[in-house]
Amino acid sequence: GAVVSQHPSWVICKSGTSVKIECRSLDFQATTMFWYRQFPKQSLMLMATSNEGSKATYEQGVEKDKFLINHASLTLSTLTVTSAHPEDSSFYICSARDYRPTSGGNEQFFGPGTRLTVL
Amino acid sequence: GQNIDQPTEMTATEGAIVQINCTYQTSGFNGLFWYQQHAGEAPTFLSYNVLDGLEEKGRFSSFLSRSKGYSYLLLKELQMKDSASYLCAVWAGGYQKVTFGTGTKLQVIP
Repeated sequence: GAVVSQHPSWVICKSGTSVKIECRSLDFQATTMFWYRQFPKQSLMLMATSNEGSKATYEQGVEKDKFLINHASLTLSTLTVTSAHPEDSSFYICSARDYRPTSGGNEQFFGPGTRLTVL
Repeated sequence: GQNIDQPTEMTATEGAIVQINCTYQTSGFNGLFWYQQHAGEAPTFLSYNVLDGLEEKGRFSSFLSRSKGYSYLLLKELQMKDSASYLCAVWAGGYQKVTFGTGTKLQVIP
């Protein structure tokens, strides 16, 4: 199946700083990527849909000025958590859908996730 | 909006069969996914159902009834490594996003 990578795997930062997380599709082009957040013992919550070459679409309740998303190329989307606070500590996961027939056309592939801890 | 319900937790015995149910209410249904997620890891794809019926893939099978808004994941010959959360996710509407249920934490005991 298709491969999605994320970097970094984990990050610890001080309150007030900004953190950038990268999501890459390694062997396919992804015009659309999705960013999720998962708090302990909870399910994945979609934060935003990242569209290559255009603005991201944010879910209700997600601050677009705090969670900046840039989808500069067909294989890379970045999520920047600006002015991070302890309540932003979470597991951030990106995903992309590979529409090629060889991948089943609909499967959504997830990156390994980034664990953010804000002190 | 969408409403997706799954049991919170289940326990089953190694070697047995377990069925994890998922009910959903949505408009513009396209398909339903099942994912497995081990603690601290990202979800991994198990199955995708579009049409009514049973899809079998090794020890795992997934069933869908569109008219009833119902799906289940069937795990056979349970192994200890099957202890994980199982997430039901619905793709609905013309929009591409997938909405996840809260997940069912399965514990396999000897």
